[in-house]
Amino acid sequence: DVKVTQSSRYLVKRTGEKVFLECVQDMDHENMFWYRQDPGLGLRLIYFSYDVKMKEKGDIPEGYSVSREKKERFSLILESASTNQTSMYLCASSLRVFSLKSEKLFFGSGTQLSVL
Amino acid sequence: GESVGLHLPTLSVQEGDNSIINCAYSNSASDYFIWYKQESGKGPQFIIDIRSNMDKRQGQRVTVLLNKTVKHLSLQIAATQPGDSAVYFCAEALLGNTGFQKLVFGTGTRLLVSP
Repeated sequence: DVKVTQSSRYLVKRTGEKVFLECVQDMDHENMFWYRQDPGLGLRLIYFSYDVKMKEKGDIPEGYSVSREKKERFSLILESASTNQTSMYLCASSLRVFSLKSEKLFFGSGTQLSVL
Repeated sequence: GESVGLHLPTLSVQEGDNSIINCAYSNSASDYFIWYKQESGKGPQFIIDIRSNMDKRQGQRVTVLLNKTVKHLSLQIAATQPGDSAVYFCAEALLGNTGFQKLVFGTGTRLLVSP
């Protein structure tokens, strides 16, 4: 089975801190994603990466950046954390899609980030 | 813009009953749909998917129905068990600029199964 591991289950940070959320997958997937999950809003895509050193903005990239130096690792960075970034952050990975082949996302267990 | 919605935020059923979770989507160009299950404290897990050239697909105790005419998706769970209690998300796939399928998720429906 695919394993997507997020480094922290719970994280508490202060406003203005720089925050790193780490994600590692062990199935050699090309694609990796960062979502945030908020009650009543579902999952919203922050950034995704379809190859090493490649990244694309999702629907809500403001206030975030990402890094993909190695295929298995995708980091989400909050340059200066704010209280409205308190949320559950979910990392996911998938095989690259060609033509119209289906894509299944495999998710990590999430990191609950609280910014005080 | 595209949106994926759910008719009921919470569905309560008795153990052994069949459950039906509904989802409406707005983008008629979407060609791929997925249902995910998220248990408390865990990330979403893939349940079943369906392509737009199909109107029904069955898995183990689950069936997904797709009605493209009214842009409606449903997940049917047969003989619902307490272990089915979770939040269920539907998602639609859209082709992004890179030709890459990006998933747009709905807000989720909570399924509560009582013994």
